Amino acid sequence: GQQLNQSPQSMFIQKGEDVSMNCTSSSIFNTWLWYKQDPGEGPVLLIALYKAGELTSNGRLTAQFGITRKDSFLNISASIPSDVGIYFCAGLNDYGGSQGNLIFGKGTKLSVKP
Amino acid sequence: NAGVTQTPKFQVLKTGQSMTLQCAQDMNHEYMSWYRQDPGMGLRLIHYSVGAGITDQGEVPNGYNVSRSTTEDFPLRLLSAAPSQTSVYFCASSYGWSSTGANVLTFGAGSRLTVL
Repeated sequence: GQQLNQSPQSMFIQKGEDVSMNCTSSSIFNTWLWYKQDPGEGPVLLIALYKAGELTSNGRLTAQFGITRKDSFLNISASIPSDVGIYFCAGLNDYGGSQGNLIFGKGTKLSVKP
Repeated sequence: NAGVTQTPKFQVLKTGQSMTLQCAQDMNHEYMSWYRQDPGMGLRLIHYSVGAGITDQGEVPNGYNVSRSTTEDFPLRLLSAAPSQTSVYFCASSYGWSSTGANVLTFGAGSRLTVL
């Protein structure tokens, strides 16, 4: 089945640092989504990408849909303490309109540097 | 507009007991789904529904049943709970799947289940 490889699994951030994470797959997707999950809550959508090569920003967050349609990355600039949480990528290939399901990466956990 | 509402938020069961996790959405979404989240495993799809009366299996359906009698509700049933079903369960919904971006899932807050 389709799988997404999300990296890194975890990372520590310090206030003001830029953060990067990415997802790769052996399969082609025509939608990439990035979600954030705070402790004790459900995932919340950050950015949605629908076209290969698309670069989209949401405040300090920037995400890109890879040209090959097999990868996507998320950057967070000038991180702040409230950025901690788990970030998930999700991909969908709806096979030209037929029903498909989102496939999720295993998540990147951001924590504050001790 | 409450979004996706899940109940209960926490539940402890003994092995072999049955229970139903409730999920309701008030956004008139056609698509509803259940995921389980385990440490290091991300979100795995259990069952999903593309409309009232239609359900299908996801990646990890064994041990779970679902039904969709109305657009709003999508309960998840555990007929005989096992310790391997200890997890956090999320219900999610969306308008459906199309190139217009209708496939963005809205998640509930989760139900944490412990099976002893």
